[in-house]
Amino acid sequence: AQSVTQPDIHITVSEGASLELRCNYSYGATPYLFWYVQSPGQGLQLLLKYFSGDTLVQGIKGFEAEFKRSQSSFNLRKPSVHWSDAAEYFCAVGARGYAGKSTFGDGTTLTVKP
Amino acid sequence: DAMVIQNPRYQVTQFGKPVTLSCSQTLNHNVMYWYQQKSSQAPKLLFHYYDKDFNNEADTPDNFQSRRPNTSFCFLDIRSPGLGDAAMYLCATSPRGGPYEQYFGPGTRLTVT
Repeated sequence: AQSVTQPDIHITVSEGASLELRCNYSYGATPYLFWYVQSPGQGLQLLLKYFSGDTLVQGIKGFEAEFKRSQSSFNLRKPSVHWSDAAEYFCAVGARGYAGKSTFGDGTTLTVKP
Repeated sequence: DAMVIQNPRYQVTQFGKPVTLSCSQTLNHNVMYWYQQKSSQAPKLLFHYYDKDFNNEADTPDNFQSRRPNTSFCFLDIRSPGLGDAAMYLCATSPRGGPYEQYFGPGTRLTVT
């Protein structure tokens, strides 16, 4: 079965600074990988996804993520954080196949300092 | 805009009193999911429907049931809510079976008194 680890429970960055959120996965083959964002009291919104091909994927709101097979990682990055980026971020991994489901990490809470 | 709608956004029920949460979608997606999310935790999949096919997670308590009368609507029934069932309940859809991207509703916050 697949699993996801987000090592950082909480990260604080200053507005305008760069951001990197870590995600490590465990899965026997090439997984489907996702990053979602959740604002307080809201549902999750898809930021970006990786299925195959180019290992650097671009998403919405200026986010990008890089799939590194050798490190089993799919870290999320943003060059300049805005106050509105404060939220909880979830990495998810999906197993291929009809019956495959997504497994979510425990999330990283991002606080943005003015 | 096509979307996933959950009603109500906030629900208060009494210990042991049955409650139903509602989800509707205008995306015409085949798959609908129900998740339970407790504070500062990952969403936990309860069950999902692929069209009319119901798929229950092995660790979902019998207290939780679901109905999908048509493509657009899906309901979560909690037969006898306990204090431990207080959580955010998230509905999500996906256009096809498998681990593809999901589209989430805003959630229903359930309080059990």
